[in-house]
Amino acid sequence: DGGITQSPKYLFRKEGQNVTLSCEQNLNHDAMYWYRQDPGQGLRLIYYSQIVNDFQKGDIAEGYSVSREKKESFPLTVTSAQKNPTAFYLCASSIYGGTALSYNEQFFGPGTRLTVL
Amino acid sequence: SQQGEEDPQALSIQEGENATMNCSYKTSINNLQWYRQNSGRGLVHLILIRSNEREKHSGRLRVTLDTSKKSSSLLITASRAADTASYFCATGTNAGGTSYGKLTFGQGTILTVHP
Repeated sequence: DGGITQSPKYLFRKEGQNVTLSCEQNLNHDAMYWYRQDPGQGLRLIYYSQIVNDFQKGDIAEGYSVSREKKESFPLTVTSAQKNPTAFYLCASSIYGGTALSYNEQFFGPGTRLTVL
Repeated sequence: SQQGEEDPQALSIQEGENATMNCSYKTSINNLQWYRQNSGRGLVHLILIRSNEREKHSGRLRVTLDTSKKSSSLLITASRAADTASYFCATGTNAGGTSYGKLTFGQGTILTVHP
């Protein structure tokens, strides 16, 4: 089955720790995205990547880092610099990351719920 | 700030009734998309309407777009209990002459359909 997977489903972090959220897709999509969703809120873009070895900051990148070494993988690290990391994190992909491509629908993973203890 | 603002924030109806959700946005767009999210899950794409289109249908879904008013509506006809979910609009814009596939999401409408 083609799709986008995220792991773990639930993650608990102690204050001061870095944690990495996994996102993998086998849809052969060029573009991948990380969003944060807080209770009762919409999605806010953290980082996005149009192509391997390239990524750009979204609207709320501070305290987060990403890498895109492989087309199918786009891990997100939540660093200790992120002061309020407790949230639901969603990864998404779309087929193409070049020009005129906000026309593409985004496919979402099931999400990771991060809680800081 | 969010580009899209949904209205109402919450909607409660009986099975068989129609549900209408509205989305307003602030800047020029090249397309608007609607997504659905079941509680605690990822989003699922429902429908996309381009800026040069005024209406689009998909099954029980009907989407309209009024670019002069910077607004869109999503109509779900003959609703079912299984339609209970949050619904988000997302706008796509050109950025500096190129689009990067970025979407800006609204805060969503929570729809509850009672059996």
